[in-house]
Amino acid sequence: QSALTQPRSVSGSPGQSVTISCTGTNSDVGVYNYVSWYQQHPGKAPKLMIYDVTKRPSGVPDRFSGSKSGNTASLTISGLQAEDEADYYCCSYTGNYAYVFGTGTKVTVL
Amino acid sequence: EVQLVESGGGLVQPGGSLRLSCAASGFTFSSYDMNWVRQVTGKGLEWVSAIGTGGVTYYPGSVKGRFTLSRENVKNSLYLQMNSLRAGDTAVYYCARGPPWHFDLWGRGTLVTVSS
Repeated sequence: QSALTQPRSVSGSPGQSVTISCTGTNSDVGVYNYVSWYQQHPGKAPKLMIYDVTKRPSGVPDRFSGSKSGNTASLTISGLQAEDEADYYCCSYTGNYAYVFGTGTKVTVL
Repeated sequence: EVQLVESGGGLVQPGGSLRLSCAASGFTFSSYDMNWVRQVTGKGLEWVSAIGTGGVTYYPGSVKGRFTLSRENVKNSLYLQMNSLRAGDTAVYYCARGPPWHFDLWGRGTLVTVSS
């Protein structure tokens, strides 16, 4: 199972919006509504930000939102803040109780 | 406090074995699927194994036949027995709670280094 494809990096100024894409296939992202997104600061464990494509866990700011179209899922951060600078990974269920992660995207706040 | 704490990492020679443990607290451990996810330093995440509430286990092809996942609900603990280790298994190993279909709670990780 190949890793989902994400851009290596995206950047934006404080207050702007950035969108991270996550491209899979019709065996994972395209067929299951079980895409999740994780934020990871350097030296820290990943943190769940979005699950089931669009749902936000309690405590995650509503400026984080998720969507999906065909084989591509997206994470949008609106009103970018300095603390949003981190690595972000998408993940999709692939069936038979297996998962595949994305290649990861570094978000830089300018 | 709701948390997962991994232990058991360390340096092991190629072909050797290691057993990782994950201690859960603050939630009903037996009610959740559990997973291990690893991360090579500076690289991305890779799902390594999962165990359902009934004890059925799942593995990707990269570790199937070499890794064995088990759980002991009485002790709120998860175990990953890793055999025939290779240099490519060198990574930080995270214990992660899966509701399922995503991972909502992660430990801080334990480093496994496979080297001679």
